[in-house]
Amino acid sequence: EAGVAQSPRYKIIEKRQSVAFWCNPISGHATLYWYQQILGQGPKLLIQFQNNGVVDDSQLPKDRFSAERLKGVDSTLKIQPAKLEDSAVYLCASSLLPQGKAFFGQGTRLTVV
Amino acid sequence: GQQLNQSPQSMFIQEGEDVSMNCTSSSIFNTWLWYKQDPGEGPVLLIALYKAGELTSNGRLTAQFGITRKDSFLNISASIPSDVGIYFCAGQLGETSGSRLTFGEGTQLTVNP
Repeated sequence: EAGVAQSPRYKIIEKRQSVAFWCNPISGHATLYWYQQILGQGPKLLIQFQNNGVVDDSQLPKDRFSAERLKGVDSTLKIQPAKLEDSAVYLCASSLLPQGKAFFGQGTRLTVV
Repeated sequence: GQQLNQSPQSMFIQEGEDVSMNCTSSSIFNTWLWYKQDPGEGPVLLIALYKAGELTSNGRLTAQFGITRKDSFLNISASIPSDVGIYFCAGQLGETSGSRLTFGEGTQLTVNP
């Protein structure tokens, strides 16, 4: 069974530029999460989708971050404009049900210079 | 918000030793998950716990869901060099509206051959 796919693996941008990350969850998984992991910390939830609806975006900095999950499958996370403190690994995860086992992709390492 | 305290922050052990790490919360959770993260990779699910008091094993790994539902621990027996990595606990309240996975800050494990 294919895992969660993310791209790109690495991205370096200048501050104030825009960036987008893509995630393809495990087939059939209705729940999709985007997490931000700053170096030395645990992952922090940015947004959670159930199919194509948002169920939790309370920790998403909505002035610069946006995410969508069209058709309830793939998802994109965008940052516009980026700040230095956005440097982190952005992890996508999916699960079959809202509660229970969540499986992670390899992540996208973003460096903002 | 919900916070998870994971301890110890780091451990240095000899190959063959047993390891124990734990996670405590100020809030009750209905699900506890334990993950391992290698450098440059996403977290990999090790064990999922769904019921207070539950004790679950996965090879040399054993995890327990605390009776109070506010804590969990992970034991690794007879450690080997490939056990090196960061171990994260994650708690989940449950159901769609409260199914955010909250992560601890991780325990960095080093195994000396």
